[in-house]
Amino acid sequence: EVQVVESGGGLIQPGGSLRLSCAPSGFNVSGSYMSWVRQAPGKGLQWVSGIYSSGRTYYGGFVKGRFTISRDSSRNTISLQMDSLRVDDTAVYFCARVYQPGWYFDLWGRGALVSVSS
Amino acid sequence: DIQMTQSPSSVSASVGDRVTITCQASQDIGDWLAWYQQQPGKGPKLLIYAAANLQSGVPSRFTGSGSGTSFTLTISSLQPEDSAAYYCQQAKTFPPTFGQGTRLEIK
Repeated sequence: EVQVVESGGGLIQPGGSLRLSCAPSGFNVSGSYMSWVRQAPGKGLQWVSGIYSSGRTYYGGFVKGRFTISRDSSRNTISLQMDSLRVDDTAVYFCARVYQPGWYFDLWGRGALVSVSS
Repeated sequence: DIQMTQSPSSVSASVGDRVTITCQASQDIGDWLAWYQQQPGKGPKLLIYAAANLQSGVPSRFTGSGSGTSFTLTISSLQPEDSAAYYCQQAKTFPPTFGQGTRLEIK
């Protein structure tokens, strides 16, 4: 079955760091465009970051250098390193495959909950 | 960033009804628009891309239309499993942005 599974969520204090991982099955991340999209509790969807098959990376304006998306082709995983976390970063973070052409998202995981609280 | 505005924010309808959800873009996005369905506790599911193209495996009762700044998602003959939140998303420019969502309740 083609799917993506997120891991690494949890409770973290403001200013802390957390690393999310996304493990696809049924396809290779090295040949795909991948993204992270988040959803604050009871709210809508917000695109966070993306990585091209070339390795080029993109971020939402609110990230402001705090997050880093990366790819490990040997492990077939995508990661999102989140530093300087704020209370308003609290959300479910979804890993999603990009459907080209255009940044549509055709495969989503169930998400990983990140709670930032003191 | 391009702003996406959906209406209504919530709708209640009966099995067999026809429901229409609209999405307005703050600037011309051509047909670079997608629709997603999200069930509680799950990730979104792509229904429609390029404004009117049905994603593989999606029932034909879902149709998308529109171009430029105005778009619609129509669900004909509602089924109980259609109870969910629906989101539009523009794919014209970075960053991709989503509407605020429409919650569909089956009476």
